[in-house]
Amino acid sequence: SYELTQPPSVSVSPGQTARITCSGDALPKQYAYWYQQKPGQAPVLVIYKDSERPSGIPERFSGSSSGTTVTLTISGVQAEDEADYYCQSADSSGTYVLFGGGTKVTVL
Amino acid sequence: QVQLVESGGGLVKPGGSLRLSCAASGFTFSDYYMNWIRQAPGKGLEWVSYISSTSNYINYADSVKGRFTISRDNAKNALYLQMNSLRAEDTAVYYCARPHEPHYYNGMDVWGQGTAVTVSS
Repeated sequence: SYELTQPPSVSVSPGQTARITCSGDALPKQYAYWYQQKPGQAPVLVIYKDSERPSGIPERFSGSSSGTTVTLTISGVQAEDEADYYCQSADSSGTYVLFGGGTKVTVL
Repeated sequence: QVQLVESGGGLVKPGGSLRLSCAASGFTFSDYYMNWIRQAPGKGLEWVSYISSTSNYINYADSVKGRFTISRDNAKNALYLQMNSLRAEDTAVYYCARPHEPHYYNGMDVWGQGTAVTVSS
């Protein structure tokens, strides 16, 4: 079955850059989306269609794509960015929605 | 404002049934696909099902296929999830979520607050 693979955790100091990768064979064909989820809250869309940022999302959040890997970059990390981040896409046929396993970002 | 509000969660015994509802407001509900997504305690997000704007295109995750049924009533701005033959592993918070653009199933920019389902004897 098709999967999206993320690292379980990423640690970063305030003001530094955090990069979270997500790998999947269908990513060259399907858009990727990124969500931030804080404890007890619903997820929030932070990047759509690989690299677009919804209104209201800070400019320090950016997305990129290269082959079978997409990356969420948080530049100038702030304490409030500590959260779980999930990538999401679809299988190659566009039939099924898929989530990566999630990455916990810890701000040291 | 754009809002989704889920209801219908609760405690149910294994093998039992439950019907979740999601009330939508603040947008043209009939223009959008809708999704159900769940999150087991301490676990990640898992897509459950989506339904097209006119209900003519529906898909389910393999884990719920044959047991869950998604439906909608555009006149009532409501989304539903009928869950039958429930198992312990269906225990989760269930979210309804709207894609970021009309007539497309992916990339959810509006989420409800979730409704908790617990399957236990």
